[in-house]
Order: sequence, then C-alpha cells, then structure tokens
Amino acid sequence: GENVEQHPSTLSVQEGDSAVIKCTYSDSASNYFPWYKQELGKRPQLIIDIRSNVGEKKDQRIAVTLNKTAKHFSLHITETQPEDSAVYFCAASTQAGTALIFGKGTTLSVSS
Amino acid sequence: GAVVSQHPSWVICKSGTSVKIECRSLDFQATTMFWYRQFPKQSLMLMATSNEGSKATYEQGVEKDKFLINHASLTLSTLTVTSAHPEDSSFYICSAMPGLGPDTQYFGPGTRLTVL
Repeated sequence: GENVEQHPSTLSVQEGDSAVIKCTYSDSASNYFPWYKQELGKRPQLIIDIRSNVGEKKDQRIAVTLNKTAKHFSLHITETQPEDSAVYFCAASTQAGTALIFGKGTTLSVSS
Repeated sequence: GAVVSQHPSWVICKSGTSVKIECRSLDFQATTMFWYRQFPKQSLMLMATSNEGSKATYEQGVEKDKFLINHASLTLSTLTVTSAHPEDSSFYICSAMPGLGPDTQYFGPGTRLTVL
C-alpha cells in the first residue's frame, strides 16, 4: 500500500522567511496530493492540493510542487507569519473515493 | 459549503462502556466517509472506510468488532467504540467526500475520547 514520508518533523523560521516541507510517496498510482494545516485540537484544514497532471500550483503565499518521476511533492510558504505556526500534513491518494494516507506531520514555528 | 459535523465533541467514559460518535455531512451527500484516529502529536491514522449501504472496510490492525461503523444514510456515519479501555483514548476524526467527483475530503471537528 501507499506510504508517505514527510520531512522535516519540526521547522523553526523567523517571520518573513520561507518554509519548505517535503514529502515522498511510494505508490506510483497516486494522483492526488493535498496539504492540510492543523492547529492544536482542531480539525485539519485543506490549504492547497495538486493533482498528478500538474507540476506546480500557487495560491498567494502558498505553493506546491510535484515531481512524479521522483515521487515527491513539496509545500512552499513564503513571507511566513506567526499565524502560520501549526502542524502541516501532506497526504496522497490513488483514486477518487479512496482514503488519504498522511505523512507524519511537520510542526512549523514562526517567531516574530 | 461542504461542512462536516461530529457529535459529541468530547466524551469521558468509564472503562468497559461503549461510546457512539456521529459524523454528519451537513450540506452535501457523502457516499464515502472515513474514520481516523489521532494520538497526541501524531499523524492521522486511517481506521476504516465507510460506504453508504455496505459494510465498512477496516485497515489492518483495526478490530472491526471493537470499532463498529454504520453508514446508514448519505449524510450520517457512526463509529461505536465498544468495551472501551484507556488505550482507546484518542482524538477521533471523520471525513467525508461529496460523491464520486473531486477527491477533496472535508474533515469533521473531531471527538476527544477519554476512557477512565
């Protein structure tokens, strides 16, 4: 089955810096890759997603890149702000109607 | 749109009792719902896939007789933790997918279960 690895487990940056979180997946059939942000005790919130027919997607300060050949995808946050501090999870799924397999998460801390 | 609710938001029970958690899609029909559990500072671990009108599919290592899942309608799935023990204490989160279209899953707010 699918296995998703996520790095780093913790990331500390200064406000205004960029943050990059990387994930790799094992199943070449995976075609949907969302990123979720979770604050303590809250539900995961979808922040951006990408499908396998696209190499990059951007939404304001957030971007995701996908390399299907290498089977890895990354989240890029620019101009980080303290409110970006949270746990970020990457995930992958192989087809519509199937469950997401999550990475272990990255705790991002943005200090002002 | 695409709101998922869970009830209760938190529950404390005695060891040996059963607890039912409800997951509802409020503004869409969900043919598929998923149940995850999350231990403190850990990731979301898939427990089972719940399909309306059929038996749930459980992940390896998840006891189907202990975690009973019922998906009786297109807007409601329930998870019953039977004979709960302290090690079942966790954060249980459901998610729902609107039909067979986009893969986007919408998560419920979670239920914090504490077994004494």
